[in-house]
Amino acid sequence: DQQVKQNSPSLSVQEGRISILNCDYTNSMFDYFLWYKKYPAEGPTFLISISSIKDKNEDGRFTVFLNKSAKHLSLHIVPSQPGDSAVYFCATHSSGTYKYIFGTGTRLKVLA
Amino acid sequence: DTAVSQTPKYLVTQMGNDKSIKCEQNLGHDTMYWYKQDSKKFLKIMFSYNNKELIINETVPNRFSPKSPDKAHLNLHINSLELGDSAVYFCASSLTGGDSPLHFGNGTRLTVT
Repeated sequence: DQQVKQNSPSLSVQEGRISILNCDYTNSMFDYFLWYKKYPAEGPTFLISISSIKDKNEDGRFTVFLNKSAKHLSLHIVPSQPGDSAVYFCATHSSGTYKYIFGTGTRLKVLA
Repeated sequence: DTAVSQTPKYLVTQMGNDKSIKCEQNLGHDTMYWYKQDSKKFLKIMFSYNNKELIINETVPNRFSPKSPDKAHLNLHINSLELGDSAVYFCASSLTGGDSPLHFGNGTRLTVT
């Protein structure tokens, strides 16, 4: 039973355009959300996070949006660069727990 | 100055053998984890230790035994390896309390033949 889902296994975007990666979750107790980027043969690297008390968090080219009523999370990358090509995972956990649950990943390809 | 380091990076072994993977973090974190990435690329938590105490033990065969000698180290020992154990194993660490991201090592690709 997958509690965190990324329904798009892959996404291709032209360089300079916006990349939008989506994530849905089922448990309303989740209150901290993260995005990770993963290159081949490396571990996931933390990108950006958001607490459930916010609906938006921005860090440079990366913005995360949280829609709690829809239990939906998205990552916007603008402008997209070829170096952004990687697999992106969303993750979440409930406060007071140590159990971080990951989505299934979306492979982003940014075309030069 | 690697934050979370795990060794070895690659491990090829035969069925029935026993092997260990080591992990160390220099971030001053007090919680460490083992995750498994299977052939479908799902990242699933296996174990978590907080200050050397086991706090998460997912449904993992008891052939897998984690050991944390101190809060900077978390090792994973696997007995009687099976073909289905082939996967990439990631170590991670975080701070307790509040919202703290996981920091991952670069993974150990285990291949059981």
